[in-house]
Amino acid sequence: DSGVTQTPKHLITATGQRVTLRCSPRSGDLSVYWYQQSLDQGLQFLIQYYNGEERAKGNILERFSAQQFPDLHSELNLSSLELGDSALYFCASSVGDGGGRGGETQYFGPGTRLLVL
Amino acid sequence: GESVGLHLPTLSVQEGDNSIINCAYSNSASDYFIWYKQESGKGPQFIIDIRSNMDKRQGQRVTVLLNKTVKHLSLQIAATQPGDSAVYFCAESSYNTDKLIFGTGTRLQVFP
Repeated sequence: DSGVTQTPKHLITATGQRVTLRCSPRSGDLSVYWYQQSLDQGLQFLIQYYNGEERAKGNILERFSAQQFPDLHSELNLSSLELGDSALYFCASSVGDGGGRGGETQYFGPGTRLLVL
Repeated sequence: GESVGLHLPTLSVQEGDNSIINCAYSNSASDYFIWYKQESGKGPQFIIDIRSNMDKRQGQRVTVLLNKTVKHLSLQIAATQPGDSAVYFCAESSYNTDKLIFGTGTRLQVFP
């Protein structure tokens, strides 16, 4: 158990809908990351938050957004869902004291499996 | 573009043998490398990491080797066990970012 929790475990929804995925980082970790894992793209970095503020952005669609709250949990919002958004979504956390200079071990949660029908 | 490990091979080994999983990376500015194990239905699990100022690091039954000259990373698992069966990913990051770039992974199958 990595100490990172994610809910829900599974999510089934229809095209055009909006969903929210939730993540709680390990105790003491200030950085939260979101990754998408699909069969054809592998694990792709979406976005990083550090202590409530966006720190880095990856290949995140404009239909997707995220935020990190004062209690450090994070939510990933996916809207106008398309079939191709079906994937595993992982949250990871790290201590975050590296100032964005890399080299921090990231610990992953169990993921949320999203199926868009 | 950036890439780490361009294919998903399968490595089959007999229980008790040593396993070597390889990974090629393309960004010469990468200075932190990490190996994850992912079992079916679970999230990636941290195994071991290494920084670019080192060429070898050992953990419990695992060793990571880094060859910066040819941009190659390997994970060695000693005395492979059935519980080691999983997909193994290498990932990298460079000095100015925390984000990890993942390879496509290698599936390790352990036979009794």
